[in-house]
Parts: sequence; C-alpha cells; structure tokens
Amino acid sequence: GAVVSQHPSRVICKSGTSVKIECRSLDFQATTMFWYRQFPKQSLMLMATSNEGSKATYEQGVEKDKFLINHASLTLSTLTVTSAHPEDSSFYICSASVDNRMPYGYTFGSGTRLTVV
Amino acid sequence: AQSVTQLDSQVPVFEEAPVELRCNYSSSVSVYLFWYVQYPNQGLQLLLKYLSGSTLVKGINGFEAEFNKSQTSFHLRKPSVHISDTAEYFCAVQRGGSEKLVFGKGTKLTVNP
Repeated sequence: GAVVSQHPSRVICKSGTSVKIECRSLDFQATTMFWYRQFPKQSLMLMATSNEGSKATYEQGVEKDKFLINHASLTLSTLTVTSAHPEDSSFYICSASVDNRMPYGYTFGSGTRLTVV
Repeated sequence: AQSVTQLDSQVPVFEEAPVELRCNYSSSVSVYLFWYVQYPNQGLQLLLKYLSGSTLVKGINGFEAEFNKSQTSFHLRKPSVHISDTAEYFCAVQRGGSEKLVFGKGTKLTVNP
C-alpha cells in the first residue's frame, strides 16, 4: 500500500535555530501533500497544502515565513520551522494524496515531535 | 464551511464490551466521511470511510460505522473491544470538490482489563 515516511520522528532544538522535517512518499507520486500541527490532546489543524512545483497554500493564521514548505519533487515535501521558539513545540504530521480522483485517498506519516528548548 | 463534532472526549470501557464513538458533522453540501485511529506518537491510520452507497460501512479491526444523513451523524462502533484498541479516534469530513480534511477533536478510547 501507499506509504509516507516522515523524518525525523523526534527532534529537540535550541530556541532560535531552524529545523527541517521531511515527508516522502515511498511507493507513489504525491502531487499534493498536507502539513498538520497537533497540540496535546487536540485535533489536527491543517497548516498548509503543498503542491509539487508551486508555492504552498497556507491556512489562515499560519505564518508562511516561519513555516517554510518546499515540494520540489513528486516524492518529497519539507517543512522548515525557522527561528523556532518554545511555542512551536508540537507534533507535526504530513499526509499525501494517493490519487488525483475524488474523493482523495490520504496516507499519513508517523509524525515528528518537535521540542524547542 | 463544514465542521465535525465528536461528542465524547474520553470513553473508558472494559475489555470485550461494545463501544460507540459519536460523530456529528455539519455541511450544506455532500461530504465524504472518515474515521482514523492514532496510537501514541504515531500518525493516523484509516479505519473506514463512507463515500456513497450503503450507509453501513465496515472497516479494519472489526470496526463499523453508520452514516445517517437525516441526523448528520457517522458514529463508530465495535461489538467487542480489545486492550489493543486503546487509542485516539478522529472523525473527519471532506467536502465534495475539496481536497481538505476537517477533523473532529478526537475521542480517547481506553479499554481496561
């Protein structure tokens, strides 16, 4: 089946540094990938939609300069948290659209736990 | 815009008991409905989905859900739960024509021995 690999699974970084999270589709091409943020004991909030070869579409309230998304190939999307602060600590999950027909099938990565100290 | 309400934030049950996790949605257009399960520190796994046709949908791990259009509900059920079913369960809706999923706040299912 369709598999999405997300790396790293956990990362601890110092305040002010940048962190890059990778999301790869292993056995299919993903023209669209999605990035979510999940706060403790809360639901997934869509941050942005990443389209291969074009700029990402950010949800309202998400700082595009802070959360840089690059979708340079059909199998890789990256999320870079720039100048991270403790309030950016969260669980980040990516998902990919498996096919281009409605309704889309989605597969999710295993998530990245970011802790900013 | 659509929204999803999961009425119970936590549901504790004993092993081998039946369980129902409730989900209601609001949308003025046709939607597709999903249930996902999340184990600690992991991503989401699709349990089942309703696209069209039969309102009773069977999924993995013995779960099933029933789509009720008049009540705008999509409750998840399992007749006999196991300890391994302990996890967070999310109901999600996708509006026809949109590629976005909107998630409920989740229900923490805890199965006790």
